[in-house]
Amino acid sequence: AQTVTQSQPEMSVQEAETVTLSCTYDTSESNYYLFWYKQPPSRQMILVIRQEAYKQQNATENRFSVNFQKAAKSFSLKISDSQLGDTAMYFCAFMKHWRTSGSRLTFGEGTQLTVNP
Amino acid sequence: NAGVMQNPRHLVRRRGQEARLRCSPMKGHSHVYWYRQLPEEGLKFMVYLQKENIIDESGMPKERFSAEFPKEGPSILRIQQVVRGDSAAYFCASSPSGASQPQHFGDGTRLSIL
Repeated sequence: AQTVTQSQPEMSVQEAETVTLSCTYDTSESNYYLFWYKQPPSRQMILVIRQEAYKQQNATENRFSVNFQKAAKSFSLKISDSQLGDTAMYFCAFMKHWRTSGSRLTFGEGTQLTVNP
Repeated sequence: NAGVMQNPRHLVRRRGQEARLRCSPMKGHSHVYWYRQLPEEGLKFMVYLQKENIIDESGMPKERFSAEFPKEGPSILRIQQVVRGDSAAYFCASSPSGASQPQHFGDGTRLSIL
């Protein structure tokens, strides 16, 4: 079974600064996907960024980027130029790769990020 | 393009009643997943369905909970004889067919048990 651990229950950052959220995972799989989802106060689940384990290059999406360290099983999220709208709960998630089928997501417990003006 | 549609947004039931939660996947998506989020916790997988088939129900409680995704119509998560501990947000997600694809989430149904 896979496990995902987010060791920071809460974090805060000043507007326009950079913040990094940590995530580690445990798996015996060699091929998988990692995700960061954002859950704002509206409680929607919004996909922020996705990383395929077989790709060495770190994924980026505008102000969001990841530091994927496969050997260390670490998958941190960096948010640059933080904005007030980034205030949300952030969940790290793991998905095993299946060639012909979908797969469940395994989530961490989340990190509540607050961006202060 | 409509996203994943869940209804109702909020559902209140008394202990012992039945709760039915509905999920219409995004257009073109044939895979549906249900997750439960207890207060102050992360999302936990419950069940994965394709049309007319349950693929993985390993996260579903053995009693009182059932799920279906019929050939026509939305996926339904059914909770019989609800108890206070069933109070949670229930999220549905969908993905296209084929190899592991990102899941797109609905806005969730918040179930409250009186």
